[in-house]
Amino acid sequence: AQSVTQPDIHITVSEGASLELRCNYSYGATPYLFWYVQSPGQGLQLLLKYFSGDTLVQGIKGFEAEFKRSQSSFNLRKPSVHWSDAAEYFCAVGGGATNKLIFGTGTLLAVQP
Amino acid sequence: ETGVTQTPRHLVMGMTNKKSLKCEQHLGHNAMYWYKQSAKKPLELMFVYNFKEQTENNSVPSRFSPECPNSSHLFLHLHTLQPEDSALYLCASSQVHRGGRTDTQYFGPGTRLTVL
Repeated sequence: AQSVTQPDIHITVSEGASLELRCNYSYGATPYLFWYVQSPGQGLQLLLKYFSGDTLVQGIKGFEAEFKRSQSSFNLRKPSVHWSDAAEYFCAVGGGATNKLIFGTGTLLAVQP
Repeated sequence: ETGVTQTPRHLVMGMTNKKSLKCEQHLGHNAMYWYKQSAKKPLELMFVYNFKEQTENNSVPSRFSPECPNSSHLFLHLHTLQPEDSALYLCASSQVHRGGRTDTQYFGPGTRLTVL
């Protein structure tokens, strides 16, 4: 079955601390992977995406993610979190002969001063 | 206007009302999507339109009726909704490539719907 798992529903970090949000996927074709961020009451904004090539991808707002095929993972990282990073983060997978995306259930990030 | 816009941003309606949600994309894409986002639930894909043709209806109740008159506009017509239909409705668009290959979906800000 095709699925995306974000095992952490809620994470709290201190401002300035590093962050890693986990994402694992199960997908039958070569995966295209995405991270989106959603602020309260807003739509989803693309942070970064992986289609092919270098497995470490850089995104906006200082975020990066690493694709690890052997672990079926695409974890999101940021070396130093800012208070404005508090939001909900969604991992998604697509690929193959379909333009549908499968989303994870999201991780809600809180940032302590 | 740039990106994907949605109107209205907020909508309150009674169970007997008929209303419509509008989505417009200014990105030159050829695929558009409706999603439902409820509290504490995963994002649910409702409908997919590729080149103005509906290619996906994810077992959505008939009280939701989509319409895609052209590649830039997408509507969701609502009638006799239930309180459990209250949610954030998100529209997205993307480019569909030869063979249907996935590309990035760009989302609008959503319409917050409350059904009384």
